[in-house]
Order: sequence, then structure tokens, then C-alpha cells
Amino acid sequence: EVQLVESGGGLVQPGRSLRLSCAASGFTFGDYSIHWVRQPPGKGLEWVSGISWHGLRVAYADSVKGRFTISRDDAKSSLYLQMNSLGPEDTAFYYCAKRAVAGDDTSHFDHWGRGTLVTVSS
Amino acid sequence: EIVLTQSPGALFLSPGERATLSCRASQSVSSSYLAWYQQKPGQAPRLLMYVASIRATGIPDRFSGSGSGTDFTLTISRLEPEDFAVYYCQQYSDSPYTFGQGTKLEIK
Repeated sequence: EVQLVESGGGLVQPGRSLRLSCAASGFTFGDYSIHWVRQPPGKGLEWVSGISWHGLRVAYADSVKGRFTISRDDAKSSLYLQMNSLGPEDTAFYYCAKRAVAGDDTSHFDHWGRGTLVTVSS
Repeated sequence: EIVLTQSPGALFLSPGERATLSCRASQSVSSSYLAWYQQKPGQAPRLLMYVASIRATGIPDRFSGSGSGTDFTLTISRLEPEDFAVYYCQQYSDSPYTFGQGTKLEIK
């Protein structure tokens, strides 16, 4: 069974940093592109960042470019999101989601984690 | 960036009725790489449809998707009580992989 489990969320002050993790199981992690999607409480979904299966291609939403860094450790079947210079607008549930097809950057997102909540507040 | 506009913002229907949700893109979505998700309170989004019209694994056949180019539709033929939720469309062809703002399907 495919599982994606996010962790690392919590309360953080504006301007500080936080690192999210996504632990994967039930599939060959290194074969799939993985993404981060966020959702402010009570609001809609926003794609944040994605990394290709080989790790050579990364992409970011304009709202986080230059502040967030996505990375992966295939040996640990884990995805990370380093978030710097956090602001109240970054308060959201953060989900990781995998692409459906191995070695493909055009397939849909078929499995999602349950999310971790990041709250940026003083 | 492809902007997706969903309509209506909220839809009030009764169980057994037909629901029609719309998703309009600001530019053509390549290869109809358009997905629909269902989200219930406190849960992650659940994939319903991909490539506009292919049902994901385990999705009942009362759900159907159609469309191409810039206009897409999700139809639920006969609403069940468990279908009342928020529905999002997403294009996954061009980064940034944008979502619509959602349609909330509520019980009348």
C-alpha cells in the first residue's frame, strides 16, 4: 500500500525557518516525481514545488521561489521542503503527493499524504 | 500560468440529483492533463479523474469527466450522501500546476 507521511510542521515565528519531511513507503520512491501542495486552513489548494524522479529537475511556485528548497533522499525514501523566511502567508497544511507514472513528469498526482500544519505567527 | 476558474462556487442539491461542475482554463490544457479531486473536511484531496475523463481506481461510475482544451466538466449522475464535499480541478501539464478555487457541493 502506498503511504506518504508528512512531518515537521508546527508553530514558527515570522522570519524563521522550518524543514518538512515526507516519508514514503509501498512503492519504489526513487522512480517517481514528488510534489508539495499546500492549503491554508479553510481555503483552496496551491501547488508549491516538485522534484523529478532523478532529482535533476525542480520547480517552484513564484510565491515561494528563493525561500523554499525541495530535495529528496532516495536511500531514505524521503522528500524534504526547507522553508526559509517564513511569513504568515505560508500558514497552511502542507501535503506531499506523488506522480502516478514512474519516470514521468507529466502524469497526474495519484497519492497524497494527510498533511502537516505549518503556522507562522508571533 | 494557467488560471483555472471553477463554477459555481457552491452548489446546493439533494441526494439522487445530478451535479454538473465546470472548470474553465485561461489557456488550453495540453493533452487534457486535467484532474479532479474530492476533499472532505479534515482529509487530503482524493483523486477522482485524470486526463479529464479517466476514473481513478475505486471511483464509482456515477462520476464522469469530459472536456478538452479550455472547458472541462465533472458530472455526478446521482448524488449519494457521501458525495457532498469540495471539488477541485487541477491542470498538471504546465508548471505551475494550478488548481481551481473549488466548488462546494452542499445538501439542499
